[in-house]
Amino acid sequence: DIQLTQSPSFLSASVGDRVTIICRASQGISSYLAWYQQKPGKAPKLLIYAASTLQGGVPSRFSGSGSGTEFTLTIISLQPEDFATYYCQQVDSYPITFGQGTRLEIK
Amino acid sequence: EVQLVESGGALIQPGGSLRLSCAASGYTFSSYAMMWVRQAPGKGLEWVSGIIDRSGSAVYADSVKGRFTMSGDNSKGTLYLQMNSLRVEDTAVYYCVKRFCSGGCYTDVWGKGTTVTVSS
Repeated sequence: DIQLTQSPSFLSASVGDRVTIICRASQGISSYLAWYQQKPGKAPKLLIYAASTLQGGVPSRFSGSGSGTEFTLTIISLQPEDFATYYCQQVDSYPITFGQGTRLEIK
Repeated sequence: EVQLVESGGALIQPGGSLRLSCAASGYTFSSYAMMWVRQAPGKGLEWVSGIIDRSGSAVYADSVKGRFTMSGDNSKGTLYLQMNSLRVEDTAVYYCVKRFCSGGCYTDVWGKGTTVTVSS
């Protein structure tokens, strides 16, 4: 199984900050990676797929990059509604796996 | 508007069975693969099962293989998850998820989830 490790697991930031979350895969997954945002009590929301393609309707302050085994999700100019938990997901092979999550909280 | 609505979650004793349903609307159900993802209380996301081709072949996480069966009824636009021999560790919110393919196959629409609690 492909393991995804996110860092950090917890992130404290302020409105207006720029933050970066890293997702490392235990083996190469090309660009078969997605990023999701989840708020408490809600279903996850797709932000980015194919490592760097922004899903329709997602603000352009979100961006993704990477390929192979290392990927990043960057949020520039954090907004109050961005404080949530973020997950990466690989779809290169079954079983599909998720990172453990990064909880982004307001400082 | 594309919508997925899960139902069937309940409180059930260990060893019991439950069938979850997911009613899809707003798109052609048979044109897109689907999958189930669960989230235990306070934990992360765990892929459970997915349909991998047009014949309806499904694959499963090792944690549910042999106990859970995923199926779909194209005429009703409904996805099912039959869960047998339930364990305490199956307690979770179960999400029905629609996939789309662009290079890889990703998930773009999620239901709100249905809660399964396995406890004596």
